[in-house]
Order: sequence, then C-alpha cells, then structure tokens
Amino acid sequence: DTAVSQTPKYLVTQMGNDKSIKCEQNLGHDTMYWYKQDSKKFLKIMFSYNNKELIINETVPNRFSPKSPDKAHLNLHINSLELGDSAVYFCASSQPGTKNEQFFGPGTRLTVL
Amino acid sequence: AQSVTQPDIHITVSEGASLELRCNYSYGATPYLFWYVQSPGQGLQLLLKYFSGDTLVQGIKGFEAEFKRSQSSFNLRKPSVHWSDAAEYFCAVAAMEYGNKLVFGAGTILRVKS
Repeated sequence: DTAVSQTPKYLVTQMGNDKSIKCEQNLGHDTMYWYKQDSKKFLKIMFSYNNKELIINETVPNRFSPKSPDKAHLNLHINSLELGDSAVYFCASSQPGTKNEQFFGPGTRLTVL
Repeated sequence: AQSVTQPDIHITVSEGASLELRCNYSYGATPYLFWYVQSPGQGLQLLLKYFSGDTLVQGIKGFEAEFKRSQSSFNLRKPSVHWSDAAEYFCAVAAMEYGNKLVFGAGTILRVKS
C-alpha cells in the first residue's frame, strides 16, 4: 500500500565502506528524486530522474551515484563513505503535469562511524 | 536563484492558541508553493499547496496558508493548535525551470505547551 518506500530505514556503517539505499514508488510517477537532510534538518535536492533519465544533478560528490533500473525505482549508491555523509536521505516522486506535487518516502537515516 | 526563508527557527504556542508560521520566497516566475510537516523521526507529509487561483488555500489537519505576491509570502496558519501539531514545518517552492526540484526553507520547529 505504501506509495514511496525506502530500504533500509536505518543504516549504520564504517567510514570507507560502500552502501546502497533503495527507493520504490507504486504511484506510476515518471519522476523520482533524492534529497538529503543534514543534521540541522536542512533539506536539499541531490538528484532527479525522469523516466530513467537523469535531469538534475546538484553539486554532489561523485562518490554518490544514482541508478534507475526502471521508472518505479531510484537507488542511491555511495562509495567510500565519509563522516559528513551522515544524514537522512529522502526519496520522492512526482508526475509531470501535476505542478510538481512530490510524495516523499519515510527516509533512510545513514550514520557513518 | 530561487530561495525560501523561514525567519523563525522555533515557535512555542499554547494549546488552543492560534498559530502563524512565516515563509518568504524568492522566485522569478509564478511560484508553486508547498508546506510540509515532519514529526520527529518521520518523513515529510504535505499539508497544503498553492498553484494558482484563490490565494487562501486549505490543507489537512485544519491548516491554511495565504499567498501574497506583493510580499512574496506564503504564511501558514491554524486557528487553534493541538498538542499533536508539535513538529517541524517546512515551506518549499518548486523551481520548474530546474527540473521541478523543490527548494526548502530551513524549517520552523513548533512546540506546543499545555
């Protein structure tokens, strides 16, 4: 029933590791996003895909690589994790033509030790 | 560049009192504006949105917001706050020419005292 789901909900890992966060939406939307919420709760766009094509790539280290195997999924892979990557990562989706009403997933809290 | 300012980091109101959370935006075109709420440890829930038309929009949980183009504002209001409204509130503008990304304000933490 969940519209936008993310796994895992919590992720604790060591510096230098590589990890992935998965996102799936069952709303039939064409566009998906990744946002990062830092320790001060500031939310910022990282990436956006429209129908598997990258359309937004903000100033994000290239250790972060999004992958969209199909338009219902947008995964985020992070290489060589650093302490500063600790944050909550939110996935969202929207349908073009709906004036960008975005639906958010529950978030993944990443802690890098 | 587009930006959103929420001047109040924290606001404390008594239960039953009225509430207004301020939001100012900077955007060159007609803005699409949103208010989201985030309860502790939770995701973002859309409260209401403005696209065009009536400048007073109604949302869920008894919230409303008024778009004032002359003041570049989109303030959120509620006539009577409930303890369950304690959360963090984010105002956002959709940057349509930048892939429809949402640009968020820094958030306002609402505390409700009984």
